[in-house]
Amino acid sequence: GDSVTQMEGPVTLSEEAFLTINCTYTATGYPSLFWYVQYPGEGLQLLLKATKADDKGSNKGFEATYRKETTSFHLEKGSVQVSDSAVYFCALIAVQGAQKLVFGQGTRLTINP
Amino acid sequence: DSGVTQTPKHLITATGQRVTLRCSPRSGDLSVYWYQQSLDQGLQFLIQYYNGEERAKGNILERFSAQQFPDLHSELNLSSLELGDSALYFCASSVGVGGPGANVLTFGAGSRLTVL
Repeated sequence: GDSVTQMEGPVTLSEEAFLTINCTYTATGYPSLFWYVQYPGEGLQLLLKATKADDKGSNKGFEATYRKETTSFHLEKGSVQVSDSAVYFCALIAVQGAQKLVFGQGTRLTINP
Repeated sequence: DSGVTQTPKHLITATGQRVTLRCSPRSGDLSVYWYQQSLDQGLQFLIQYYNGEERAKGNILERFSAQQFPDLHSELNLSSLELGDSALYFCASSVGVGGPGANVLTFGAGSRLTVL
């Protein structure tokens, strides 16, 4: 079945550091890919998405590129801030079949000042 | 405020009991999804409704049931509760199936269930 694998957390960085959170997926066909973010005590919020190969999603300085050849959708940010501390989830929706989001395990990110 | 409203925010109950979690989707959204978030299982899809009809089913236990009403709000019923049912239960909504907005889910803040 469809699945998403994220790098293990937690990840701790200093402010202004470069961030990469790895995400790879297994799916039939051409899924849509997403990054969601969960701030403490809140629900999940869509951070960015990409719907086809080579698409780049971007928002709030975060970027991720849909790489079909490596089945990856790594999240990057050039300079993180303390306010970026949250749990990040990579997810996919298969184009065919049930339109349910399949999530990775989540990566907890802590940014120290 | 995401526009998806979940009640109650917190619920503490005992094993063997039954609870109902309620969700009002974002205005205009026809699809409702339920997810369970626990420390050991991560985010698990439970069930999806579209315009009152069950659309997809995931890892939902037989002790759990859900429905979507004509006004599009949804309820998740959890019965014969066990300690392992303690989790955050999220509701999400989307425009529906098909079209550019169909795959974008908006999540509520969740209902935290503690079973003692």
